[in-house]
Amino acid sequence: ETGVTQTPRHLVMGMTNKKSLKCEQHLGHNAMYWYKQSAKKPLELMFVYSLEERVENNSVPSRFSPECPNSSHLFLHLHTLQPEDSALYLCASSRKWADDNQPQHFGDGTRLSIL
Amino acid sequence: TQLLEQSPQFLSIQEGENLTVYCNSSSVFSSLQWYRQEPGEGPVLLVTVVTGGEVKKLKRLTFQFGDARKDSSLHITAAQPGDTGLYLCAGACSNYQLIWGAGTKLIIKP
Repeated sequence: ETGVTQTPRHLVMGMTNKKSLKCEQHLGHNAMYWYKQSAKKPLELMFVYSLEERVENNSVPSRFSPECPNSSHLFLHLHTLQPEDSALYLCASSRKWADDNQPQHFGDGTRLSIL
Repeated sequence: TQLLEQSPQFLSIQEGENLTVYCNSSSVFSSLQWYRQEPGEGPVLLVTVVTGGEVKKLKRLTFQFGDARKDSSLHITAAQPGDTGLYLCAGACSNYQLIWGAGTKLIIKP
């Protein structure tokens, strides 16, 4: 039990589909993150939310749309994805943003495959 | 672009052997974190090092932060199959983001 729950664990979708990834944290943290993890590459930070406000958006294509309705929930809405978007999408949380020594707590990820 | 190079990318050794993995950069970090990720799971924090030259021990794992805070190493003594996983380092830089290495995939054979 990591305290950060992601659903679904696996998702296969066509390029024209619309789907959403969900993340929920039970740790009382104020910052939440979306990362993309591809084989043999560093984790790519996609979005950061602090107290429900987006504070980082690292040049992510608009086919990825985040939503943070409250400090415990984070969504990643997907639309018209490309095959190169196939990856493991990880959600993480930390007690607060912009604190170098704060560990990030990760969910187990959603394995996304685009057909 | 800030980079964090991890080496080796892959390591497969027998149970009981010792090993060291490295994390190197040309950038200075205010702190550096090490995570382990097991198959089907997310990364889990092992340790954070903050001070140049700092050494931290976690049972059979020894972590060292370079004097200049640009590099770090993880040494495992008498590796066990339970040490198998992807080891990731992440450096904290001035814009509040973590810079991640690509990881070292470690397999310990019984």
